[in-house]
Amino acid sequence: EAQVTQNPRYLITVTGKKLTVTCSQNMNHEYMSWYRQDPGLGLRQIYYSMNVEVTDKGDVPEGYKVSRKEKRNFPLILESPSPNQTSLYFCASRGGGTNYGYTFGSGTRLTVV
Amino acid sequence: AQTVTQSQPEMSVQEAETVTLSCTYDTSENNYYLFWYKQPPSRQMILVIRQEAYKQQNATENRFSVNFQKAAKSFSLKISDSQLGDTAMYFCAFMKYSGGGADGLTFGKGTHLIIQP
Repeated sequence: EAQVTQNPRYLITVTGKKLTVTCSQNMNHEYMSWYRQDPGLGLRQIYYSMNVEVTDKGDVPEGYKVSRKEKRNFPLILESPSPNQTSLYFCASRGGGTNYGYTFGSGTRLTVV
Repeated sequence: AQTVTQSQPEMSVQEAETVTLSCTYDTSENNYYLFWYKQPPSRQMILVIRQEAYKQQNATENRFSVNFQKAAKSFSLKISDSQLGDTAMYFCAFMKYSGGGADGLTFGKGTHLIIQP
């Protein structure tokens, strides 16, 4: 089944403790993105990647890192999480060609205390 | 930079009625794509419909259709014969086409649609 898999689905952590949210897609997609969703703000892009080793900042990149060492994986790293990073996070991917819709993962609910 | 505006934070209609969700956007790009995503309580993001800006014909997907007005930068979603399962947050999204590359999506803040039995 074609899908984007995020882990974990829920995570509670403490301020300053480094964490990684994993994202993997099995569709051989070039493009991958990370978003955070906050009430009343919709979804905002954190980082995106156009291919292996090619990443760029989105609208809200502060406090986050990403890497794209393999085409299928695009982990989101919070080196020193803070409470204002408490949010719902989504990873998404899409291929090129005529199929321009992004496929989303199931989301990761992160709480930083 | 692009902006997407959804002016209706919440809407409520009776089952089987037709409902229209509005979306406007601002961009200086000429080539782009517009999308409507649905987010039910399960929080999964589901692509409902997409529209290529270079196409004049409005996209349709079963009960879902759009009214795309490029000059007015308007992209509304019409849901016909609404069903209880249509209850969800609906997000309008913009993606510019950048030749060999591509950005991600710029989202509106969403419209919470409630279908009443």
